[in-house]
Amino acid sequence: EAGVVQSPRYKIIEKKQPVAFWCNPISGHNTLYWYLQNLGQGPELLIRYENEEAVDDSQLPKDRFSAERLKGVDSTLKIQPAELGDSAVYLCASSLGTGVYTGELFFGEGSRLTVL
Amino acid sequence: GQNIDQPTEMTATEGAIVQINCTYQTSGFNGLFWYQQHAGEAPTFLSYNVLDGLEEKGRFSSFLSRSKGYSYLLLKELQMKDSASYLCAVRDQYNQGGKLIFGQGTELSVKP
Repeated sequence: EAGVVQSPRYKIIEKKQPVAFWCNPISGHNTLYWYLQNLGQGPELLIRYENEEAVDDSQLPKDRFSAERLKGVDSTLKIQPAELGDSAVYLCASSLGTGVYTGELFFGEGSRLTVL
Repeated sequence: GQNIDQPTEMTATEGAIVQINCTYQTSGFNGLFWYQQHAGEAPTFLSYNVLDGLEEKGRFSSFLSRSKGYSYLLLKELQMKDSASYLCAVRDQYNQGGKLIFGQGTELSVKP
């Protein structure tokens, strides 16, 4: 079974430029998460989707960040314009979301963003 | 507020046992997770506790005390490949789709 796929793995841009990250979750996983991870820190939730609906976006900086999950499968996270402080790893994760199980999250390898 | 505390770094010797502690204060609780993350890689699931007690899985065990807001991850027979960051995370909502709140991670170095 394929895991969570993210692209690009690495991105270097200049400040004020736009950038977009793409995530393909595990097939059948209806819950999708975007986390931000700074060096030496744990992941911080940006947004959580249940199918197409963003059910928790309270920590998404909406002035410059946007996300979408069309058709409840793939998702994109966009930053426009990027700032120096946005340099981090952007992790996508998915889970089944319901049912009698642990609800563990499966993470992709992340997209490492460097803003110059 | 919500707070998860774990030591920043630990060092242990190959073949030894190490215990990584985690304390938490969250508005709700519906499970505690431990993840392992090697440098530059994705976090991978290690263990899950929702009831008090010890869960054992091979060389790894995890303990939970909900009344104390405390968990630990126990790694036995340490191997060099166990050098990684270990993330404690709490699910804060009473449904399986609730978000995970992560601690900062404990960087474990295993030395020969």
